[in-house]
Amino acid sequence: QVQLVQSGAEVKPPGASVKVSCKASGYTFSSDHIHWVRQAPGQGLEWVGVIKATGETTRYAQDLQGRVIMTTDTSTSTSYMELRSLTPEDTAVYYCARDHCDHWGQGTLVTVSS
Amino acid sequence: DVVLTQSPLSLPVTLGQPASISCRSSQSLVYSDGNIYLTWYQQRPGQSPRRLIYKLSNRDSGVPDRFSGSGSGTDFTLKISRVEAEDVGLYYCMQDKVWPYTFGQGTKLEI
Repeated sequence: QVQLVQSGAEVKPPGASVKVSCKASGYTFSSDHIHWVRQAPGQGLEWVGVIKATGETTRYAQDLQGRVIMTTDTSTSTSYMELRSLTPEDTAVYYCARDHCDHWGQGTLVTVSS
Repeated sequence: DVVLTQSPLSLPVTLGQPASISCRSSQSLVYSDGNIYLTWYQQRPGQSPRRLIYKLSNRDSGVPDRFSGSGSGTDFTLKISRVEAEDVGLYYCMQDKVWPYTFGQGTKLEI
């Protein structure tokens, strides 16, 4: 069955960077895209961006452009989302999801606090 | 970007009674292949979103048949024929016709 397993919770000071991983299994990783979605505490869902699993195509949310980088490693079926210059407003649960967001990871809480 | 507007944002319901959530899009979600790329999710407290309905009206595997999706190019509805206690949570619509994917604000279903 399709599974997406994410890395554990992170606490970072303002201005730092965070890198979250998402390991896929149960399907052909290279044939799909991986989307990243975040959810601030008590808030709704916000699309962060998407990467083709082979890595040649990325698209990021406009207001995160320049701070977010998505990469993949097809040898381990893992996708990564790095967010730089963190502010407290980036505190959220970050989810990865497979193509058309049919299956989701368990989420990774990123807390930005001094 | 496509804007999705959900209503109501809060939906008190009675067990065994029907419930309905509306989602309106700022533009048509009909793709060139003829499909309507509107998706519905359920999110229970502390859990990841779970896809219920895709391409307007297709139920995912394991989703009870009391959930149904319908609509036209810009107006969509999620219906629960008879609400059960396990249905409590947040419901989101999402358009996956074009990047960036966008979500409705969410509807809180409460007993």
